Amino acid sequence: QVQLVESGGDVLQPGGSLRISCAASGFTFSSYAMHWVRQTPGKGLEWVAIVWYDGSEKYYADSVKGRFTVSRDNSRNTLYLQLNSLRAEDTAVYYCAKGRGTSIPGFDYWGQGTLVTVSS
Amino acid sequence: DIVMTQTPLSSPVTLGQPASISCRSSQSLVHSDGNTYLSWLHQRPGQPPRLLIYKISNRFSGVPDRFSGSGAGTDFTLRINKVEADDVGVYYCMQSTQFPYTFGQGTKLEIK
Repeated sequence: QVQLVESGGDVLQPGGSLRISCAASGFTFSSYAMHWVRQTPGKGLEWVAIVWYDGSEKYYADSVKGRFTVSRDNSRNTLYLQLNSLRAEDTAVYYCAKGRGTSIPGFDYWGQGTLVTVSS
Repeated sequence: DIVMTQTPLSSPVTLGQPASISCRSSQSLVHSDGNTYLSWLHQRPGQPPRLLIYKISNRFSGVPDRFSGSGAGTDFTLRINKVEADDVGVYYCMQSTQFPYTFGQGTKLEIK
């Protein structure tokens, strides 16, 4: 069965950096686009980024463009999100989600999430 | 960005009775490939969201047939035939027709 396990969440000060990970299993990781989505009590659910199945294309929400970088290692079945220049408003639970299929927009399975807290 | 607006934001329902949630998008969700990428998600307290419905009306794997989706263009509806205790939580609509993907504010379903 599909499993997505995020890790790496932490408490950081504004301006700090962090890399969070998502370990995937139960499906052919290298065949699917992968997404990051975050959730805050105030703003609800916010899509953050997508990386194509082969890493060739990446898209970001305007709120994180230039600060966050999505990447993947298909040999390790792992998705990453590098978070730089962190702000208080980046405080959220970060979920990874599996794309629905080649050229099929959207996602289906979600991980349990990892909490990133940005506070001075 | 496409704005997704859900109504109501809160829905108290009696067990065994039907429930309905509406979602409206600020522009048409018809993709250039002819499909409409409107999904419904359900989130129980303390859990991640899970996919219920994709492309307006297709139930995801394992989703009971009590759940149904309908609509077209900019107006969509999620219906629960007979609400069960396990259905409590927050329901979200989401569009994946265009980047950035966007979500509705969520509708909290609670039992009266």
